[in-house]
Amino acid sequence: QKEVEQNSGPLSVPEGAIASLNCTYSDRVSQSFFWYRQYSGKSPELIMSIYSNGDKEDGRFTAQLNKASQYVSLLIRDSQPSDSATYLCAVVPNSNYQLIWGAGTKLIIKP
Amino acid sequence: GAGVSQSPSNKVTEKGKDVELRCDPISGHTALYWYRQSLGQGLEFLIYFQGNSAPDKSGLPSDRFSAERTGGSVSTLTIQRTQQEDSAVYLCASSPRTSGRDAQYFGPGTRLTVL
Repeated sequence: QKEVEQNSGPLSVPEGAIASLNCTYSDRVSQSFFWYRQYSGKSPELIMSIYSNGDKEDGRFTAQLNKASQYVSLLIRDSQPSDSATYLCAVVPNSNYQLIWGAGTKLIIKP
Repeated sequence: GAGVSQSPSNKVTEKGKDVELRCDPISGHTALYWYRQSLGQGLEFLIYFQGNSAPDKSGLPSDRFSAERTGGSVSTLTIQRTQQEDSAVYLCASSPRTSGRDAQYFGPGTRLTVL
């Protein structure tokens, strides 16, 4: 059973600080990793993808992938109240192109 | 270009009635996915189409649920004899699915309420 695990939260971070969201996965040969953001009452939207070990930066967002330890993380710098949402981690295992979804971490940015 | 569209955005129905939910994927996307999300819960995979074929129907909760896709484009999810536990947001996503690097892109969802 391929699994993707996330802490459900809520994770509370003060405005302006760095929010760190983590995700672990069970399939060692997973190949692609995605972070989605879902605002309450809205559908998930893609914010980052990462495929290789290391860091990938896009504006205030940095995705970090460590395949040896089977985890992927998302850092949000200079957190804003508008970043308050549920963040979903999704992984493509090697066996097919389906996404395996984590249950999401609820992030709250406190002004 | 246009994103994934879904209709209706909201549907209220009475227990026992049939409902049809529609999804129009991003043009050129060959893969289409249906998910269900109950209030405060994660995404529940229902079915996936590659072209007009459904290689994976493993997530359909019961035989009251069915889906089809025609012309490699629009898909319809049908729920027969709706039950109150069917109340949820039904999300459709599409993907190019040309490689394992393809993300899924979601529509706005259909909120189904069964009274």
